[in-house]
Amino acid sequence: DAKTTQPNSMESNEEEPVHLPCNHSTISGTDYIHWYRQLPSQGPEYVIHGLTSNVNNRMASLAIAEDRKSSTLILHRATLRDAAVYYCIPVRAFAGNTPLVFGKGTRLSVIA
Amino acid sequence: GAVVSQHPSRVICKSGTSVKIECRSLDFQATTMFWYRQFPKKSLMLMATSNEGSKATYEQGVEKDKFLINHASLTLSTLTVTSAHPEDSSFYICSARVPVLARGTDTQYFGPGTRLTVL
Repeated sequence: DAKTTQPNSMESNEEEPVHLPCNHSTISGTDYIHWYRQLPSQGPEYVIHGLTSNVNNRMASLAIAEDRKSSTLILHRATLRDAAVYYCIPVRAFAGNTPLVFGKGTRLSVIA
Repeated sequence: GAVVSQHPSRVICKSGTSVKIECRSLDFQATTMFWYRQFPKKSLMLMATSNEGSKATYEQGVEKDKFLINHASLTLSTLTVTSAHPEDSSFYICSARVPVLARGTDTQYFGPGTRLTVL
């Protein structure tokens, strides 16, 4: 499995954009980049994923470096409800029923 | 998105007793479900892969006789913590993947978790 490196923690002011970085320099050409987040005392939830192109959905945007060795999850306007641990996880394409392997993630604090 | 439920959400038991946690996929069928454990301030650790109609696959270091997994149907997997001890107190989370063959990757959906406290 590709290794990932994320900051242990980050802090943001409410209503400000947040850029959460992830390094995945050993990523395989067939690995998708998934992001999940875990709110306090809850199970993780899917946020977004991508392969090569930048992606947008209602929750966030994902910017993927051209060499695919890093990516950035972008929350355009942080709210207090976005306070969570964010996990960047490479996922092998067509991997079948392979479980997600979680690293330490980034704990995002949002200040009102 | 797909929904995964867990029951109970919270349980307190005495040391030596057994506790069963249910994980259900509510709007899809899951031939495979996963069980994770999470200690405070730590990340999720995969315990085992639950396969419908066959034996579970356990991660290294997880005692299969202590953590009994049964995947009796395509929508239900159960984790039984047998002879629970205080060190088994943790947050247990199940999940399932919804494969989308039309694309190369799929999404994993997680239950809300079960907080087990063993006194």
